[in-house]
Amino acid sequence: KQEVTQIPAALSVPEGENLVLNCSFTDSAIYNLQWFRQDPGKGLTSLLLIQSSQREQTSGRLNASLDKSSGRSTLYIAASQPGDSATYLCAVRPEDSNYQLIWGAGTKLIIKP
Amino acid sequence: DAGVIQSPRHEVTEMGQEVTLRCKPISGHNSLFWYRQTMMRGLELLIYFNNNVPIDDSGMPEDRFSAKMPNASFSTLKIQPSEPRDSAVYFCASSASGTPVVFFGEGSRLTVL
Repeated sequence: KQEVTQIPAALSVPEGENLVLNCSFTDSAIYNLQWFRQDPGKGLTSLLLIQSSQREQTSGRLNASLDKSSGRSTLYIAASQPGDSATYLCAVRPEDSNYQLIWGAGTKLIIKP
Repeated sequence: DAGVIQSPRHEVTEMGQEVTLRCKPISGHNSLFWYRQTMMRGLELLIYFNNNVPIDDSGMPEDRFSAKMPNASFSTLKIQPSEPRDSAVYFCASSASGTPVVFFGEGSRLTVL
């Protein structure tokens, strides 16, 4: 059974620092992996999607990497800003499903001004 | 496009009452999902519709929960009778055929007293 883990559960860093959020999964048979952002009281917004054949995706200050064989993904945030404060969730789509997403519990990120 | 629209945003009700949550997916999207989010269990898929047809309802907790999608632009999730353990944030999400990105509504926060 696929399990997705995100460590740490919470992270607080000063503004301007580069940081890495981690996501691990137990079954490498995935179709893709997505990183989402959730602001308090809001829905989830897709940030980056990495197909299983890809190693990384970039969008602005965000870079997501995928190492499928080791069951790991990282989300790198460069030059963090207070506006980056949110909960970040990763989700994997199993190879045998075209709609199911297996979710991590998220990392709550606080960027201190 | 206005995105996925959910109503009500907040609902407080007493145990035993019927609750109906509503969702309007993004126009042109043919996949619709209902999720539930709690601190204890994270995000859980309740039901998945494709082209208005329920494909996977294995996540629906019990017979008290029902979901309908009478047309491509409207879906409801009903809980009858409601119980305190149903208190959660319920998200509706939609996606277009052939694209893996899922768009979430802002959620309906349900509190059952």
